[in-house]
Amino acid sequence: AQKITQTQPGMFVQEKEAVTLDCTYDTSDPSYGLFWYKQPSSGEMIFLIYQGSYDQQNATEGRYSLNFQKARKSANLVISASQLGDSAMYFCAMREFSQAGTALIFGKGTTLSVSS
Amino acid sequence: DAMVIQNPRYQVTQFGKPVTLSCSQTLNHNVMYWYQQKSSQAPKLLFHYYDKDFNNEADTPDNFQSRRPNTSFCFLDIRSPGLGDAAMYLCATSREGLEQYFGPGTRLTVT
Repeated sequence: AQKITQTQPGMFVQEKEAVTLDCTYDTSDPSYGLFWYKQPSSGEMIFLIYQGSYDQQNATEGRYSLNFQKARKSANLVISASQLGDSAMYFCAMREFSQAGTALIFGKGTTLSVSS
Repeated sequence: DAMVIQNPRYQVTQFGKPVTLSCSQTLNHNVMYWYQQKSSQAPKLLFHYYDKDFNNEADTPDNFQSRRPNTSFCFLDIRSPGLGDAAMYLCATSREGLEQYFGPGTRLTVT
């Protein structure tokens, strides 16, 4: 079973609009972290935002916010006021802290296209 | 202010000819990772070093090896590259396994 599911292969949004990228996860570990990364066409993975399973409040970083719904096991990324430079692939990832390793489990990604 | 540096950015090698990719970091992070990412796919972890301890993923082919001579450097050796090994190779670092910081990647072409 997939541990991280991103159901939107591609999303389209106009400049200055907000967009939500979906991510659901599956774990029985009570302690875990959820991450979002942006990967432009150049290939570099850019860390955007982090949410810990015990965090009471939703994480925010500038125009990025994470809509964390623990009971539903979802961790959607919200980008407000989209910019042309936001066009990229976006990956949701999870780390289960009780596991011995430190590996991130990635979803398959969502390609975001921002138009003017 | 480059933090995770990968060299070269683009590497072309011949089928079966050994190749080494390098990664260095200025973050003093204790964990370093190597990922393989094929076109339009998610990154796949090959192995990682937790301090000096090497951790190989179960499905990483023997063709892939790694070395970490010190905290700052980590190398990925592909002993006999095949056409299926053409991919982007991403190095990442983290402190104690928290958020990972990635380098710009090395795009490997096998001819």
